[in-house]
Amino acid sequence: AQSVTQLGSHVSVSEGALVLLRCNYSSSVPPYLFWYVQYPNQGLQLLLKYTTGATLVKGINGFEAEFKKSETSFHLTKPSAHMSDAAEYFCAVSYIYGNKLVFGAGTILRVKS
Amino acid sequence: GAGVSQSPSNKVTEKGKDVELRCDPISGHTALYWYRQRLGQGLEFLIYFQGNSAPDKSGLPSDRFSAERTGESVSTLTIQRTQQEDSAVYLCASSTRDRVNEAFFGQGTRLTVV
Repeated sequence: AQSVTQLGSHVSVSEGALVLLRCNYSSSVPPYLFWYVQYPNQGLQLLLKYTTGATLVKGINGFEAEFKKSETSFHLTKPSAHMSDAAEYFCAVSYIYGNKLVFGAGTILRVKS
Repeated sequence: GAGVSQSPSNKVTEKGKDVELRCDPISGHTALYWYRQRLGQGLEFLIYFQGNSAPDKSGLPSDRFSAERTGESVSTLTIQRTQQEDSAVYLCASSTRDRVNEAFFGQGTRLTVV
């Protein structure tokens, strides 16, 4: 069965510090991978995605993620956290073009001043 | 419309009543998803419509849950004989044929069963 594991339901970083949110997936075939963000009182929005090609993908607001097939991972990073990055982040995977998205449990990012 | 629209935004219902939740996808989007997000939990897949293909209903938790979609437009999620454990935010998303995995989400309907 398709599955996504996000390590850490809550992550707290200081403003200006590195943000690292972890995502691992289970798959026997190449996946499509996504990160979505949900700001307080807002709907989910796409942050970035990997489908094919370059394994390092860049998204909005300075976030990026690297697809590592050998580690079955798609961790999300940002070099310097801003207060406005406080939100809940969801990793998602799809295995076949046109198939449903399967989401991880989410990680709530808190940014301390 | 400009985005995915869901109504109502909030719904409080008594246990045992039926509820209907509506989703208006972005015009031209062939794929439509319903997800459920319980408090403190991730997104739980419910059902997926893709064009005229048979929907993927593998996520519906019980036969009290059903969903319909008219062509490539509006979808309605119906929950019969609601239970307290049905309380959650119900999210709808849609996507295009050529970017079918890239979903655009509505704001959700917060359902509270009392």
